[in-house]
Amino acid sequence: DAEITQSPRHKITETGRQVTLACHQTWNHNNMFWYRQDLGHGLRLIHYSYGVQDTNKGEVSDGYSVSRSNTEDLPLTLESAASSQTSVYFCASSERSNTGELFFGEGSRLTVL
Amino acid sequence: GQNIDQPTEMTATEGAIVQINCTYQTSGFNGLFWYQQHAGEAPTFLSYNVLDGLEEKGRFSSFLSRSKGYSYLLLKELQMKDSASYLCAPRDTGRRALTFGSGTRLQVQP
Repeated sequence: DAEITQSPRHKITETGRQVTLACHQTWNHNNMFWYRQDLGHGLRLIHYSYGVQDTNKGEVSDGYSVSRSNTEDLPLTLESAASSQTSVYFCASSERSNTGELFFGEGSRLTVL
Repeated sequence: GQNIDQPTEMTATEGAIVQINCTYQTSGFNGLFWYQQHAGEAPTFLSYNVLDGLEEKGRFSSFLSRSKGYSYLLLKELQMKDSASYLCAPRDTGRRALTFGSGTRLQVQP
């Protein structure tokens, strides 16, 4: 079965370190998204991509970057982790950009000490 | 811009009916999603409304009024497993990705 997987599922890191969260989907979806979820804020969009070599900033993109070198993967990098980036991160993909249902990964819980 | 309002928490009794409301403002509208999210898990798709009216899917129904910027999710015959957060997500044609409300945490009690 096609799926979307995230790794690691849990990570603890220190302030200032670079961290990369992986996201891999096997649906061959062009559209991939990264959200973070915090209490009281719901899901907030960090970055998204509509195809290989395409990346776009979301509403909370500062301190994060993504790259899209193939259809299957959209890794999220925290260049210099900050305590404010402690959160649960969800990757998602969809078939159609404007009407397609989002399929979410299981989430990655990141703690920055 | 886009504003999405949902109640933060609701409590209901097993076997009862509960209605979770969502009001929104978008620069352009192209449908509304409802997602369910159990604690510690990923959101999963429940429904998508693009036209006005009620869409029924088993115990769950979703209603949309585009002119009022209003939607609700109706859960019937509540079960304990329905305890979860419910996320409203209107699709704004002025945005290139889906934006979610903060979600409504529903607690079903025996």
